[in-house]
Amino acid sequence: DQQVKQNSPSLSVQEGRISILNCDYTNSMFDYFLWYKKYPAEGPTFLISISSIKDKNEDGRFTVFLNKSAKHLSLHIVPSQPGDSAVYFCAAPAGYGGSQGNLIFGKGTKLSVKP
Amino acid sequence: DVKVTQSSRYLVKRTGEKVFLECVQDMDHENMFWYRQDPGLGLRLIYFSYDVKMKEKGDIPEGYSVSREKKERFSLILESASTNQTSMYLCASSRPSGANVLTFGAGSRLTVL
Repeated sequence: DQQVKQNSPSLSVQEGRISILNCDYTNSMFDYFLWYKKYPAEGPTFLISISSIKDKNEDGRFTVFLNKSAKHLSLHIVPSQPGDSAVYFCAAPAGYGGSQGNLIFGKGTKLSVKP
Repeated sequence: DVKVTQSSRYLVKRTGEKVFLECVQDMDHENMFWYRQDPGLGLRLIYFSYDVKMKEKGDIPEGYSVSREKKERFSLILESASTNQTSMYLCASSRPSGANVLTFGAGSRLTVL
């Protein structure tokens, strides 16, 4: 059973426009969420997170919105740049017995930003 | 610059071979993880460790084992490699408390022929 779902495998956006990447989750006990970005042949890098007590967190061009009632979060990138082209993963803590820190990842969305 | 280093970026092995993937972190992190990434499947946890000599199975441990003899080093072992273990292997580390941001290595692309 997939607890973190990214239903769009890919997204294509024009440079300068907004990119919106979506993520749904099933476990209402998740207390924070993270977004990672991954370029080909590199490891994922942390991008932004949000606590479940907030509904928005912003960092420069990146904003994450959380809708707890819908169990939905989204990552907005404004304006989108060609260097943002990567695979984006949504993640939440698995909480194996407490503080081991394992994350459950979605399957990822491949973002392509066209010049 | 703190980092997680995976010793081999690309490996090609034959079916039945024993394979060692090494990972070292210099951040004094307690937690270390091995994930594999496959197209359309995202990142799946193989094993993790929250202390020296401690290990816990993740979601897909079959066919793998791990070793953590020192805090900074976490090794993934494929006892008898099979073609379905062809994948990108990612090592990560983190502190045990707070918002656990995992720091990943660059990955090891393993091909089993």
